[in-house]
Amino acid sequence: GEDVEQSLFLSVREGDSSVINCTYTDSSSTYLYWYKQEPGAGLQLLTYIFSNMDMKQDQRLTVLLNKKDKHLSLRIADTQTGDSAIYFCAHRSGGYQKVTFGTGTKLQVIP
Amino acid sequence: EAGVTQSPTHLIKTRGQQATLRCSPISGHTSVYWYQQALGLGLQFLLWYDEGEERNRGNFPPRFSGRQFPNYSSELNVNALELEDSALYLCASSSLGNTEAFFGQGTRLTVV
Repeated sequence: GEDVEQSLFLSVREGDSSVINCTYTDSSSTYLYWYKQEPGAGLQLLTYIFSNMDMKQDQRLTVLLNKKDKHLSLRIADTQTGDSAIYFCAHRSGGYQKVTFGTGTKLQVIP
Repeated sequence: EAGVTQSPTHLIKTRGQQATLRCSPISGHTSVYWYQQALGLGLQFLLWYDEGEERNRGNFPPRFSGRQFPNYSSELNVNALELEDSALYLCASSSLGNTEAFFGQGTRLTVV
């Protein structure tokens, strides 16, 4: 089956970097996504990376992909209290109906 | 441009009843996806509609069903509600072949 695993919780101090990790089992992934879900809200796409890339940087966000180990990470530089949310990684193998989401990592930012 | 809208925001039903959830996609998007987000779990894929047809469904019983209307809006129906159906139901829309889908705010269904 297709599994996407994330740690459930991460706590960091404001101003520090946060690294959220994700592992997956499906080797036929084409895109890998990071979504943010704030309390009471839907999912907001933060960034995505093609499976043939190793890294993607977008302002404070850096995505690293180790395809050999099937490991994806999201680094948030200079973490702010507004970054407190649940972060989901997801991978896609085919059309968007083939997107599989992880269980989410709750990021708590301590002022 | 309006995003994906879902209604109602909250819905409380008793066990055995039926629930109807609605989703309006972004203008121009023909695909609508439904997901269930139960407490402590990730998003579980429910259904995919495109151009009025059900294209794919996840591993859910037949009492989860829906439809897509000619204007591409969609309904999700859950019959014979069970307590474990309590969850946040999210709808997303995209254009076929798009890299990403855009999510609505969700409908919080509580079954008592």
